Amino acid sequence: NAGVTQTPKFRILKIGQSMTLQCTQDMNHNYMYWYRQDPGMGLKLIYYSVGAGITDKGEVPNGYNVSRSTTEDFPLRLELAAPSQTSVYFCASRSLNTEAFFGQGTRLTVV
Amino acid sequence: QKEVEQNSGPLSVPEGAIASLNCTYSDRGSQSFFWYRQYSGKSPELIMFIYSNGDKEDGRFTAQLNKASQYVSLLIRDSQPSDSATYLCAVSGMNYGGSQGNLIFGKGTKLSVKP
Repeated sequence: NAGVTQTPKFRILKIGQSMTLQCTQDMNHNYMYWYRQDPGMGLKLIYYSVGAGITDKGEVPNGYNVSRSTTEDFPLRLELAAPSQTSVYFCASRSLNTEAFFGQGTRLTVV
Repeated sequence: QKEVEQNSGPLSVPEGAIASLNCTYSDRGSQSFFWYRQYSGKSPELIMFIYSNGDKEDGRFTAQLNKASQYVSLLIRDSQPSDSATYLCAVSGMNYGGSQGNLIFGKGTKLSVKP
């Protein structure tokens, strides 16, 4: 039981490049989330999903896209990377009314 | 418009004292409330969750929920230097976005426990 697995752990992107952050969970959780955390700040919700095929915008969705084709996977796509997207990204999953389990995070730098 | 508010601190307490962390939220329909601890450079980890009004105790930690006042708190008794971390309040079930499956975090309160 690996829990929530995020890849990659670190990445440097050039302005305008695109990339996909991968997130997989093996706990059969319906709910999955993507957050970003800027230095000294809390977690801001980017997108979330309540089940396969269903996604909703969070607090800061601009510049990102997601898909949820399976229960296990919830990738986050960055199109046209900008310096403002430099952050630590966390993926999390949970069942309704239970705690969220977090991945180890992806540290992204856009230069 | 922030949905979950916390005092960012830093909150400094001496070892052995009680640390009190507070959180307010804007949506009365919120259903579940969580306290996470985050050490620098690490992922958040759950301390406690609470769903019903009143107090919930787990070891040195007590969570208090008052839905009428839209307020949730975390008390840490006999604080230890190892408790020094950022404490994040999270609220689920808010009317935010397309469904109530969201989980919104506050900015976090940085706690420092001095030996």
